[in-house]
Amino acid sequence: AQSVTQLDSHVSVSEGTPVLLRCNYSSSYSPSLFWYVQHPNKGLQLLLKYTSAATLVKGINGFEAEFKKSETSFHLTKPSAHMSDAAEYFCVVSDQGGKLIFGQGTELSVKP
Amino acid sequence: GAGVSQTPSNKVTEKGKYVELRCDPISGHTALYWYRQSLGQGPEFLIYFQGTGAADDSGLPNDRFFAVRPEGSVSTLKIQRTERGDSAVYLCASGRAQLVESTDTQYFGPGTRLTVL
Repeated sequence: AQSVTQLDSHVSVSEGTPVLLRCNYSSSYSPSLFWYVQHPNKGLQLLLKYTSAATLVKGINGFEAEFKKSETSFHLTKPSAHMSDAAEYFCVVSDQGGKLIFGQGTELSVKP
Repeated sequence: GAGVSQTPSNKVTEKGKYVELRCDPISGHTALYWYRQSLGQGPEFLIYFQGTGAADDSGLPNDRFFAVRPEGSVSTLKIQRTERGDSAVYLCASGRAQLVESTDTQYFGPGTRLTVL
């Protein structure tokens, strides 16, 4: 069975500093992995996805994630946080049937 | 183009009542998914349609929940005899995949917030 674990329920950074949101996955086969962002009162938006091509995946708004099979990790990073990045972030794995399995979420706060 | 839309945006009902939640997927998307997001949790899968048929309904919590997609486009999630524990945000997503596809991107609607009093 597939699962994801987001290691931090809440992360707080200052504007202009790097962002690191941690995610570990468990999968019995080569997984498809995603990061989604959810702003308050808005729908889930895809940031990026990994589908067994390049292990370093670039997404929207300057985010990127690196797939590390040896560490079963798919951490999300951004070099410089912006106030508008404050939101809930979900690490997600897809099962072979296409349904998405979400982590518990990490709330990112950005301080001025 | 238009994204996934869901109506109503908010629904307040009383325990024991019947509710219907509607999802309009992106035009041309054959795959449609329903998820439920409880407060402080990540979304949880309920059911997946490929065209008109339910390809996977393993996430439906019990027989009070069922969903239909009669013409392969709009879908309705129906909840009978609602309970307070059904209170959550119900999310719909659609995707292009013609076949089961784990890499397919799912596009989410804004959700329906259901409150059962």
